Amino acid sequence: DQQVKQNSPSLSVQEGRISILNCDYTNSMFDYFLWYKKYPAEGPTFLISISSIKDKNEDGRFTVFLNKSAKHLSLHIVPSQPGDSAVYFCAASLKSGNTPLVFGKGTRLSVIA
Amino acid sequence: DAGITQSPRYKITETGRQVTLMCHQTWSHSYMFWYRQDLGHGLRLIYYSAAADITDKGEVPDGYVVSRSKTENFPLTLESATRSQTSVYFCASSPVPYEQYFGPGTRLTVT
Repeated sequence: DQQVKQNSPSLSVQEGRISILNCDYTNSMFDYFLWYKKYPAEGPTFLISISSIKDKNEDGRFTVFLNKSAKHLSLHIVPSQPGDSAVYFCAASLKSGNTPLVFGKGTRLSVIA
Repeated sequence: DAGITQSPRYKITETGRQVTLMCHQTWSHSYMFWYRQDLGHGLRLIYYSAAADITDKGEVPDGYVVSRSKTENFPLTLESATRSQTSVYFCASSPVPYEQYFGPGTRLTVT
């Protein structure tokens, strides 16, 4: 059973507009969530994280929102740039339990100039 | 150079052969991980290690063997490779299990 779900395999957005990537999770015990970005032929790199005690975390153009009651998080990229084109993975962990990350299947974002 | 490296970056092998993928990190991180990435499946955890001589199974451990005799190395061995093990393999390390720093990956093809 998939504990972290990214239901959109791909997303296409025009340069300068907002990109919204979504992620749902089923395990209510998860208390730490991350987004990773992956370019072709490279390993994933950490982008932004959020603890379950918060509902928003912002870092430059990237903002992650957490809705615990809906077990849903989203990554907003504003404004989107062509260099943001990549696969984005959502991940979750039971931080207090020292458990490894559980990843979603990823969403491929294409930012069109 | 500091960081995490994987070797080889590309490997083609035949069904039934043993193959070992290497992972080396220079951060002295306690935790190390092996993932495979397949289309439609995302990143799936194969094995992880909390410290030297401590390893645990992940989501898809069958057909794989790991060892960790030194903190900085975490080799992954496919004892008898199968076509279903054709994949991109990523090693990661971290000081804690909920933040991971990934290597560049090894693309393995089993013919």
